[in-house]
Amino acid sequence: GAGVSQSPSNKVTEKGKDVELRCDPISGHTALYWYRQSLGQGLEFLIYFQGNSAPDKSGLPSDRFSAERTGGSVSTLTIQRTQQEDSAVYLCASSLVGGGGIYNEQFFGPGTRLTVL
Amino acid sequence: GESVGLHLPTLSVQEGDNSIINCAYSNSASDYFIWYKQESGKGPQFIIDIRSNMDKRQGQRVTVLLNKTVKHLSLQIAATQPGDSAVYFCAPLNSGGGADGLTFGKGTHLIIQP
Repeated sequence: GAGVSQSPSNKVTEKGKDVELRCDPISGHTALYWYRQSLGQGLEFLIYFQGNSAPDKSGLPSDRFSAERTGGSVSTLTIQRTQQEDSAVYLCASSLVGGGGIYNEQFFGPGTRLTVL
Repeated sequence: GESVGLHLPTLSVQEGDNSIINCAYSNSASDYFIWYKQESGKGPQFIIDIRSNMDKRQGQRVTVLLNKTVKHLSLQIAATQPGDSAVYFCAPLNSGGGADGLTFGKGTHLIIQP
């Protein structure tokens, strides 16, 4: 009964470099979410995948951010040309079904702490 | 627009005491409310939910109260334990749709004093 896993747990990078963050959702969960949590702040929604539908990218802060979900399972969040303000914990969550006006519990991973120097 | 739960930042209670965490929301269309707990270094974890047709719901050592008139809800934790130390978030949702991406405010940091 593995939960949501994320890697790496910590990432330190230099300003201007690209980073990739990985999320492995709970097996069978069709919905996958990426969030950002800056220090001492709440949760900021970034992007949402549901099955084979086009993702909801409405929360992505800039075009430097992108995400993919391959085979309906593993997802990668890519941040290009990182900036210091990108420093935050990036959380991934998955749920059984997303959308349709019914809330299905989102199970969160432990997050990836990104530090941009 | 978004409706984000608004919290007081910090609450400190003695171990064994009861605690009450309050949350205000602004969107009167919100009809479903969830509470999450986030321990240090971990992702948020679902605690309890309540629908707008209820004013009280109980779980194990937790009770959520909803007052739709003043757009306020509270999370009561009975007989607090060290493991209850965490940041608590409420999220008002509209079950009518949306992307279902959650938005939390800054939450309330509950500190359990030994």
